Amino acid sequence: ELKVEQNPLFLSMQEGKNYTIYCNYSTTSDRLYWYRQDPGKSLESLFVLLSNGAVKQEGRLMASLDTKARLSTLHITAAVHDLSATYFCAVGLNAGNMLTFGGGTRLMVKP
Amino acid sequence: DSGVTQTPKHLITATGQRVTLRCSPRSGDLSVYWYQQSLDQGLQFLIQYYNGEERAKGNILERFSAQQFPDLHSELNLSSLELGDSALYFCASSPRLGAGELFFGEGSRLTVL
Repeated sequence: ELKVEQNPLFLSMQEGKNYTIYCNYSTTSDRLYWYRQDPGKSLESLFVLLSNGAVKQEGRLMASLDTKARLSTLHITAAVHDLSATYFCAVGLNAGNMLTFGGGTRLMVKP
Repeated sequence: DSGVTQTPKHLITATGQRVTLRCSPRSGDLSVYWYQQSLDQGLQFLIQYYNGEERAKGNILERFSAQQFPDLHSELNLSSLELGDSALYFCASSPRLGAGELFFGEGSRLTVL
């Protein structure tokens, strides 16, 4: 059974600081996705990572994938309040049909 | 706006009742997924349909059922509701059968009293 773990589960940080969210998964896969969810809202797709070494950047967020280590990271640079949300990673097995989600990281950026 | 439409947005009902949640996928998407999000269980995969056929099943209770119609919209039926069924139910769609990027609807928030 595929297990996806994120850490930390909760992150409170000051504006302007940098931090990294980690996503570990238990079974070989080269399909990893990052989503953002605002409270009570839908999940918005942020990044699609489909190969070992893939790196994607959008604004202050950068995601990377290391399939050998079964690890993806979401790096936040110079955080701003608007980044406050819950971030989920999701993994798809190569022979599977659905995505398995991590538990989410609730990010709070304080002024 | 992802293009996935879910109704109703909010639903309050009593234990023992039955409800139906509806989902219209993005235009052209053949796969529909249902996920349940609760505070203690996170995002749990329930079931997937592809072009009208059930293709994957997750932790879906026997009291729950789903189907996908010829026009590709899907319905999730929840019966004999219990307090613990209170959650946000998401529908997501994808153009492909396999595990790929999912596009989520706004969700249906179910409260069972």
